[in-house]
Amino acid sequence: NAGVMQNPRHLVRRRGQEARLRCSPMKGHSHVYWYRQLPEEGLKFMVYLQKENIIDESGMPKERFSAEFPKEGPSILRIQQVVRGDSAAYFCASSPRDTYGYTFGSGTRLTVV
Amino acid sequence: RKEVEQDPGPFNVPEGATVAFNCTYSNSASQSFFWYRQDCRKEPKLLMSVYSSGNEDGRFTAQLNRASQYISLLIRDSKLSDSATYLCVVIRGAGGTSYGKLTFGQGTILTVHP
Repeated sequence: NAGVMQNPRHLVRRRGQEARLRCSPMKGHSHVYWYRQLPEEGLKFMVYLQKENIIDESGMPKERFSAEFPKEGPSILRIQQVVRGDSAAYFCASSPRDTYGYTFGSGTRLTVV
Repeated sequence: RKEVEQDPGPFNVPEGATVAFNCTYSNSASQSFFWYRQDCRKEPKLLMSVYSSGNEDGRFTAQLNRASQYISLLIRDSKLSDSATYLCVVIRGAGGTSYGKLTFGQGTILTVHP
């Protein structure tokens, strides 16, 4: 049973480009969460999704960031027109329905140059 | 004020030492409490849940004081492999329901040296 799979592990983008981060939850997990860890800071909640629904996006920046979890396929965190301040580690976690059985993926490290 | 506050350290201790980490949380509606461990540039991993009655897992003991909104982690007989960042984590129920939205403290860095 594979864990939470995130790809790519490392992503380099130039300022103004788009970044797409993918997260495949563990088998049987229907809840996906995205967290961001800026350098020298703690992890901050961004968004909580279930299949085809955004449940809580209170931690998402108002512009340029979006997330989806389609019926088929992985969850995608999309950052448009990246800026240097978007450089961070982005972690995805998944859990089974109605429990706190969290599992984190290995993260995607985004570097904006 | 941050919702979850920890002493960032760093704590630098010799092998075999006992070390204690403290954490406070500001929202009295918080429902569930955890300690996570994060190794350098890796994902956080659950170390243990924290219960009001206190709980122990080998060399690790966690305590929760709801009245003071205070959480602690005690590590006895420190090992080199305990070197990591320890994250205090809280789940706050929202509107009568709860789900797994974790609120992390900034983390406390521990280095155990020979």
